[in-house]
Amino acid sequence: GAVVSQHPSWVICKSGTSVKIECRSLDFQATTMFWYRQFPKQSLMLMATSNEGSKATYEQGVEKDKFLINHASLTLSTLTVTSAHPEDSSFYICSAFRTASYEQYFGPGTRLTVT
Amino acid sequence: KQEVTQIPAALSVPEGENLVLNCSFTDSAIYNLQWFRQDPGKGLTSLLLIQSSQREQTSGRLNASLDKSSGRSTLYIAASQPGDSATYLCAVKRGSGGGADGLTFGKGTHLIIQP
Repeated sequence: GAVVSQHPSWVICKSGTSVKIECRSLDFQATTMFWYRQFPKQSLMLMATSNEGSKATYEQGVEKDKFLINHASLTLSTLTVTSAHPEDSSFYICSAFRTASYEQYFGPGTRLTVT
Repeated sequence: KQEVTQIPAALSVPEGENLVLNCSFTDSAIYNLQWFRQDPGKGLTSLLLIQSSQREQTSGRLNASLDKSSGRSTLYIAASQPGDSATYLCAVKRGSGGGADGLTFGKGTHLIIQP
């Protein structure tokens, strides 16, 4: 149990376009999900906390107008990278918080390359 | 601001050896500490989670300890195997209560077990 999926697993887009990444909790409901970003040889950095039915909370330095988060249901959160630029190329990983175990379960990640 | 440091950054040992990975954090007010494994280009696999009130957790050949007051944790791997080769990440959750907080990660220890 406690499986989290992400789609797509990798995506290549052109500079200036927008890309949507989905994060789903497959076998549990998650009122809270998290989005992280990982640059090569760097650690995961928390970008934002996604709350079902309310606005996301962004970490300092993360542009909320560039990284749009929607948590429309208890099993789905989406991250849209708007007007993507090459510096947005990164590995994006989501996690879903399972209340029953008080643990976060991580998705497999999405590799974004902006050309 | 919480900072997590992992030492060493990289480690290469022959198969069969026991080894210790170190993690330190600057703010001792944590909710829990978690060790993850990350294979190249992949998501995270949770290895061990230690609550702030606990001193250690064990799973198979892995043992993690936590000294919250000194801001330190160690991950002990016994009888290492080539399949243990991966990057090991240490992460702490803020201690503001509720549990639904994001994690602060270290940069990881890149471990290679030589056959």
